[in-house]
Amino acid sequence: NAGVMQNPRHLVRRRGQEARLRCSPMKGHSHVYWYRQLPEEGLKFMVYLQKENIIDESGMPKERFSAEFPKEGPSILRIQQVVRGDSAAYFCASSLGGAGGEQYFGPGTRLTVT
Amino acid sequence: GQQVMQIPQYQHVQEGEDFTTYCNSSTTLSNIQWYKQRPGGHPVFLIQLVKSGEVKKQKRLTFQFGEAKKNSSLHITATQTTDVGTYFCAGHSSNDYKLSFGAGTTVTVRA
Repeated sequence: NAGVMQNPRHLVRRRGQEARLRCSPMKGHSHVYWYRQLPEEGLKFMVYLQKENIIDESGMPKERFSAEFPKEGPSILRIQQVVRGDSAAYFCASSLGGAGGEQYFGPGTRLTVT
Repeated sequence: GQQVMQIPQYQHVQEGEDFTTYCNSSTTLSNIQWYKQRPGGHPVFLIQLVKSGEVKKQKRLTFQFGEAKKNSSLHITATQTTDVGTYFCAGHSSNDYKLSFGAGTTVTVRA
């Protein structure tokens, strides 16, 4: 049973470009969470999605960031017009049930903005 | 909103010694989870505690959930080099969908 998959693992973007991060949850999981982690810091919640629905996006910056989890295909975290401060590791996690259940994390995407 | 705090932020341990990391929440939790992240890796689920006063053991790791369900601890005995990494607690309250992660305790081990 494949775990949570994220791609790309490393992404380099110049300031002003767009970054698209993909996450495929574990088989059978319909709950997806995105987190951001700065070097030597904890995990900051960004958004919680179920298929075709954003449940909680209270951790998402109001501008330039968006997320989706379509009926078919992976969840996408999109960052438009990236700035240097967006450089971080972005982790996706999935769970079988929602509401605070055990989460399985993907390997993360390390985004570097030059 | 709910805040989860962990202390200490860093723990330097001599191999073979014991140590404890602590987690405190500003609100009562319905459950608390612990994760471990190795350097350069991703968080891996260790355990979940649900009941007030619950204690669970995994080999040399002992996890405890406070009576008031607002704090938790992780105690590691006879630390080994394989224990290196950052340990996160994550709390869930009944009126929230998401987990709130602490900032983590980063453990280094001196051989």
